[in-house]
Amino acid sequence: GNSVTQMEGPVTLSEEAFLTINCTYTATGYPSLFWYVQYPGEGLQLLLKATKADDKGSNKGFEATYRKETTSFHLEKGSVQVSDSAVYFCALSRYNNNDMRFGAGTRLTVKP
Amino acid sequence: SAVISQKPSRDICQRGTSLTIQCQVDSQVTMMFWYRQQPGQSLTLIATANQGSEATYESGFVIDKFPISRPNLTFSTLTVSNMSPEDSSIYLCSVRFPGVQETQYFGPGTRLLVL
Repeated sequence: GNSVTQMEGPVTLSEEAFLTINCTYTATGYPSLFWYVQYPGEGLQLLLKATKADDKGSNKGFEATYRKETTSFHLEKGSVQVSDSAVYFCALSRYNNNDMRFGAGTRLTVKP
Repeated sequence: SAVISQKPSRDICQRGTSLTIQCQVDSQVTMMFWYRQQPGQSLTLIATANQGSEATYESGFVIDKFPISRPNLTFSTLTVSNMSPEDSSIYLCSVRFPGVQETQYFGPGTRLLVL
């Protein structure tokens, strides 16, 4: 079945450090891939997405590239800020399939 | 951009009681979903709310425990019935908009604590 595996957290970084959160997936066919962010006390916000192989999603300085050959969608940011502290979820969804599969989530804390 | 709201935002309830959570969107959507997020965990899909018909429940969730209504294209309710402390979670509604396949957008969530 379809599934998503994220690197385990928590991740603690200093401000301006480089961020990578690994995400790999298992799916039949060609899923769309997503990163969602959940700030403390809030719901999930769509951060970025990619719908086909080699697509790069980007938003607010975050990037992720859909790598079909390695079934990966790693999240990166070149210089994190304290305000990026949140839980990040990788997810996949199939066309015409209601079931969106989420990874376990990775908690990021950025210290000044 | 569209606004997805949930009421209440949080509640503290006694075991054995029921709570109804509302989800309202300010524009028409194609699909509405309800998720549960247990403390420190990821999201689990409870059901798909179907307009004008019974919801489609995922394995492990039943209508008697989580009755769902969706009377129109922009509104849905989830009831958590006969609550126990194990029902303490964040409950999230999500939607899909016309022309945006596969992407789900989430409401702010309802934080429920059952004593």
